[in-house]
Amino acid sequence: GQQVMQIPQYQHVQEGEDFTTYCNSSTTLSNIQWYKQRPGGHPVFLIQLVKSGEVKKQKRLTFQFGEAKKNSSLHITATQTTDVGTYFCAGRSAGGTSYGKLTFGQGTILTVHP
Amino acid sequence: EAQVTQNPRYLITVTGKKLTVTCSQNMNHEYMSWYRQDPGLGLRQIYYSMNVEVTDKGDVPEGYKVSRKEKRNFPLILESPSPNQTSLYFCASSLGEGGTYEQYFGPGTRLTVT
Repeated sequence: GQQVMQIPQYQHVQEGEDFTTYCNSSTTLSNIQWYKQRPGGHPVFLIQLVKSGEVKKQKRLTFQFGEAKKNSSLHITATQTTDVGTYFCAGRSAGGTSYGKLTFGQGTILTVHP
Repeated sequence: EAQVTQNPRYLITVTGKKLTVTCSQNMNHEYMSWYRQDPGLGLRQIYYSMNVEVTDKGDVPEGYKVSRKEKRNFPLILESPSPNQTSLYFCASSLGEGGTYEQYFGPGTRLTVT
């Protein structure tokens, strides 16, 4: 079945440093979503990427979808303590028949030291 | 307020004692899904529902049942819980098929099976 690998599992940064998490799928994706989960909270939707090579920005966050639609990345510039949490990618295989089946990556836990 | 609610939020039970975790959404969403979250494994989809009376297996359905008799409710049933079902469970809903629309997550249910 489809697998989505996310690296790194943990990332510790000093406030002001940049952060990147990578997501790789074993199959071509129809689209990819990113979620953030604050400690003790629930996942909250950040963004969705649909097109091959798509790049989207939200303030200090930059999201990319690979040309082959099998990988994606989330980059945070100049991290702040409010960025602390776990970041998940989630994707659905393209061309499949299980339209509701969604696979999440393992998540990257980001800690920011002030 | 648009939201997904889950009950109970915390539950400690014993092996073999049937339990139900309720999930309800007030956004008239067609799609609902259950996930379990375990350290290092991210979010894994248990079951999902594309609409009333339409349910299908996710990646880890063994030991779980669901039903979708009404659009707003999607209960998760553990008929004979075992310790390996100790986990944090999230219910989510979205306007349409999973992975195509933003998912809204409930607050989570922390289940311990002894």
